[in-house]
Amino acid sequence: DQQVKQNSPSLSVQEGRISILNCDYTNSMFDYFLWYKKYPAEGPTFLISISSIKDKNEDGRFTVFLNKSAKHLSLHIVPSQPGDSAVYFCAAKGGLAGSSNTGKLIFGQGTTLQVKP
Amino acid sequence: IAGITQAPTSQILAAGRRMTLRCTQDMRHNAMYWYRQDLGLGLRLIHYSNTAGTTGKGEVPDGYSVSRANTDDFPLTLASAVPSQTSVYFCASSARGGLAGELFFGEGSRLTVL
Repeated sequence: DQQVKQNSPSLSVQEGRISILNCDYTNSMFDYFLWYKKYPAEGPTFLISISSIKDKNEDGRFTVFLNKSAKHLSLHIVPSQPGDSAVYFCAAKGGLAGSSNTGKLIFGQGTTLQVKP
Repeated sequence: IAGITQAPTSQILAAGRRMTLRCTQDMRHNAMYWYRQDLGLGLRLIHYSNTAGTTGKGEVPDGYSVSRANTDDFPLTLASAVPSQTSVYFCASSARGGLAGELFFGEGSRLTVL
């Protein structure tokens, strides 16, 4: 049973426009949500996170929105740049017993973003 | 440059063979993890270690073992490899008490079991 789901395997946007990547989760015990970015042949790198007590966190061109009632979060990239083309993973923490003070994360399947020049 | 080093970067292995993926970090992080990445499934936690001398099972531990003899090293062993273990394996670390949940990943080890 996938507790964190990214239902869109891929997304293509034009340079300069907004990219919106979506993520749904099922476990209401998650206390932190994170987005990771992954380029081919590299490991994932941390992008941005949000605590479950907040509904928005912004860092430059990246904003994450959390809707707890809908168990949904989204990552907005504005404006999108060709260098943003990568696989984006949504991840959640805190849903496993004894995991609240560890870094154990549950990841979604990933969404491949392509930003066209 | 501080970070996580994984070896080998790529390996082809015959089914039934034993294989150890190596992972070393120089950030003095207490916690370390092994994930596997499979298309359509994202990253799944295999085993983890909160501190040297302790280990725990993740979501998909069967067929794998780990050890944590010291802070820096966290090897992952496949005792008898099977084709379903063909995957890209990522080692990661985190500083307990740091940004909640933030992991630092290595560049991955691509394993093919024939």
